[in-house]
Amino acid sequence: DARVTQTPRHKVTEMGQEVTMRCQPILGHNTVFWYRQTMMQGLELLAYFRNRAPLDDSGMPKDRFSAEMPDATLATLKIQPSEPRDSAVYFCASGLLGQDNYGYTFGSGTRLTVV
Amino acid sequence: DAKTTQPPSMDCAEGRAANLPCNHSTISGNEYVYWYRQIHSQGPQYIIHGLKNNETNEMASLIITEDRKSSTLILPHATLRDTAVYYCIVRVANSGNTPLVFGKGTRLSVIA
Repeated sequence: DARVTQTPRHKVTEMGQEVTMRCQPILGHNTVFWYRQTMMQGLELLAYFRNRAPLDDSGMPKDRFSAEMPDATLATLKIQPSEPRDSAVYFCASGLLGQDNYGYTFGSGTRLTVV
Repeated sequence: DAKTTQPPSMDCAEGRAANLPCNHSTISGNEYVYWYRQIHSQGPQYIIHGLKNNETNEMASLIITEDRKSSTLILPHATLRDTAVYYCIVRVANSGNTPLVFGKGTRLSVIA
């Protein structure tokens, strides 16, 4: 089965360090989403892209978070500098506009711990 | 904000049908009902979606009331592997500009 690949699966970093999370969407999918999940807030949408262009990043703290799609096979989410409150599981999902009869496919997530 | 209301938790005996309700009283005519589930430590997984007719696939059945203000996801023979958080979401299908907005979902525990 086609899948969304996220790396790394786990990341522990010290406060103030830069963190980069990567996502490889399903080949041919043109929409990519970034979500963050915490116990308190649940699943929150951070940003999403269509054909590599950002459509909405209003869910992201702009001063420290940035999301990009350098090419169609890679999406990145960066946090600089990281803070303990950024500790969460970050999910990437991809889909194909006009053909979401099967919904969006999510990756297994990156579990980030900032100490 | 999520536009659906779900019970926070439910239990179901293994082998029995699990019926998960969802209220979406403000649903618009062009909005579909989607169901996803999230098994512990995994990403959400698509289950099924529908507009107004009942739908069935290999995972579940979706029953939507005639007024479309509520729906029920049915897992006909629940197994321990169905223990998960189930999310009911309403959105316009194929819209492109309305991503999935998750509420708190229903935590289903299947008990042996």
